[in-house]
Amino acid sequence: TQLLEQSPQFLSIQEGENLTVYCNSSSVFSSLQWYRQEPGEGPVLLVTVVTGGEVKKLKRLTFQFGDARKDSSLHITAAQPGDTGLYLCAGARFGNEKLTFGTGTRLTIIP
Amino acid sequence: EAQVTQNPRYLITVTGKKLTVTCSQNMNHEYMSWYRQDPGLGLRQIYYSMNVEVTDKGDVPEGYKVSRKEKRNFPLILESPSPNQTSLYFCASSRVGVRSPLHFGNGTRLTVT
Repeated sequence: TQLLEQSPQFLSIQEGENLTVYCNSSSVFSSLQWYRQEPGEGPVLLVTVVTGGEVKKLKRLTFQFGDARKDSSLHITAAQPGDTGLYLCAGARFGNEKLTFGTGTRLTIIP
Repeated sequence: EAQVTQNPRYLITVTGKKLTVTCSQNMNHEYMSWYRQDPGLGLRQIYYSMNVEVTDKGDVPEGYKVSRKEKRNFPLILESPSPNQTSLYFCASSRVGVRSPLHFGNGTRLTVT
């Protein structure tokens, strides 16, 4: 059973368009992280959200943690080819040092 | 440069032949962890370590061993590899636990025939 479900699994859009990627769970997390992974490399942390309802912005990327701490979203404005990659969410549960990753969203931005 | 170094990057071996994948970090991080990444299954945690001599099972520990004798090193040992352990393996470290940013190595692609 996958604790964190990401949708969509694959997304291919034109440069300049906006998009949203979702990370959903029935479990509550103490914090949630978003990573981007490029071919041949390990994931690289983009952001950590820790408070229910929290919104963080990283240039054209906006991350939101759900009020109930069970879900998160990543919104990209005016996507660019450099945004292409595998986006992974990862959640840490209270009192637990295991980090559970979602299955990922593979994003392709077409020039 | 702060980094997590895994070796080797690629490894092809045969069933039953013991192997070790090394992982070293130069950031004085307390927390280290191993993951395997498989298509459609994402990253799954194998083992993690909160500090020297402290290791715990992740979600898929069967068939693997680890040790943490020094803070900087966290080797992954496959005593008797099997084909279902063919995967892409990542080592990661963080300052203190999973609520600190994880720094990943560049991966080890293992093929067991």
